[in-house]
Order: sequence, then C-alpha cells, then structure tokens
Amino acid sequence: GQQVMQIPQYQHVQEGEDFTTYCNSSTTLSNIQWYKQRPGGHPVFLIQLVKSGEVKKQKRLTFQFGEAKKNSSLHITATQTTDVGTYFCAVGGYQKVTFGTGTKLQVIP
Amino acid sequence: IAGITQAPTSQILAAGRRMTLRCTQDMRHNAMYWYRQDLGLGLRLIHYSNTAGTTGKGEVPDGYSVSRANTDDFPLTLASAVPSQTSVYFCASSDWNRGFSPYGYTFGSGTRLTVV
Repeated sequence: GQQVMQIPQYQHVQEGEDFTTYCNSSTTLSNIQWYKQRPGGHPVFLIQLVKSGEVKKQKRLTFQFGEAKKNSSLHITATQTTDVGTYFCAVGGYQKVTFGTGTKLQVIP
Repeated sequence: IAGITQAPTSQILAAGRRMTLRCTQDMRHNAMYWYRQDLGLGLRLIHYSNTAGTTGKGEVPDGYSVSRANTDDFPLTLASAVPSQTSVYFCASSDWNRGFSPYGYTFGSGTRLTVV
C-alpha cells in the first residue's frame, strides 16, 4: 500500500501561536484525508482533498494538497486549547487506506 | 444517533484465551474495517470488508479473524490471545462510491484490550 511520512511527530505551541503538520509521499496520491483524535478519543474525519493544489478552510484550519499531489499540509491559525490532539493524514483508496503516524499537538495555555 | 458501537469498552484477557470484539454500525455503510492503534505506530489495518460476505487482510492480520455475515456487524476474533495483541482496537466504516469516500471513515469509540 501507499506510505506517507508525517512530520513533526510532536509539537508544543503556546496558545495563540500557529501550527502546521505535513504529510509527504514518494508517489502521487489520488486523494488525502485528514483526521483529528482527541486524547482518549477516536479519530474523527476532518476533510478530504482530491484536486492538485486544492486549498480548503474550516474556520481556523487550512488544508492544502500539493501541486504534484505528493504532499499535503494542515495549518491551524491561532491555536486554542481545544485544538489539542493528534492529527493524522490518510491516503489510499478503496480497501487500503493507510494512516500516517500522526502529529501530536500540545497547546500550552 | 447514527454511528458505530463497539463492545466491550475495555477488557483484560488472559493469554491463550479466545476473545471477540464486537462492532455494529447503523449507517448502512458498505465497507468496514478493524484497526489497532499502538503508541508510535499509528493506526494499522488488521482486516477489512468491502461488502457483506467478503473480507480481506490488512497490514497486520496474523492472529485475528473476521466475518461479515450482514451489512451492520463486523466482529473481530482473537483465537488465542498473546501479550503483543495488547492495544486499542478501532472499528470503522465508510460508504464508498466509485473509489471515493467523501465523508471519510467513521470510527467507533474503541476497545482497549490488555492481554496478560
């Protein structure tokens, strides 16, 4: 199946600072999904990107799909304590979706 | 509320024992999955089912079996539990249409299993 590298593994930010996590693949992706998992919780679907260069926003979250469809990023503007959790990207299609190892975000009040 | 129900929530199991983790969804999704989550290793696919009556192996299938007798249920069985199967198990489902699942995966709340 497809493999993705997700960086960084951990990130501590002061509340109000921005945060970005990246997913990188060596192969061209058909689409990429992003999930958030709160501590002690389960992954929750955030968004799917399909088109080259696509940018989607959800309030303070901005998702980008690279022009070559080999990388993607999730950017959070002005983090809040409610943003704490692990953010995963997921790639692949029917049957075999592979999740990245996630970026654990800690927000310091 | 539509979603996925997993049971039990947590379990301590003696090594060598047989255990079935239950998963039921009420969204009529065609595809269902079992993942295990271990610290530092992310989510790894154990088994999947594209539709009722069919199953397939994921990345880490050894020691696990599944069945999909109907659309709603997808139980995961550990035939003879070993300590390395200590993990958090998540069941998920998705509604695939022409290769895309526009709403992603819906996950259950998970089963925390400890094999001693």
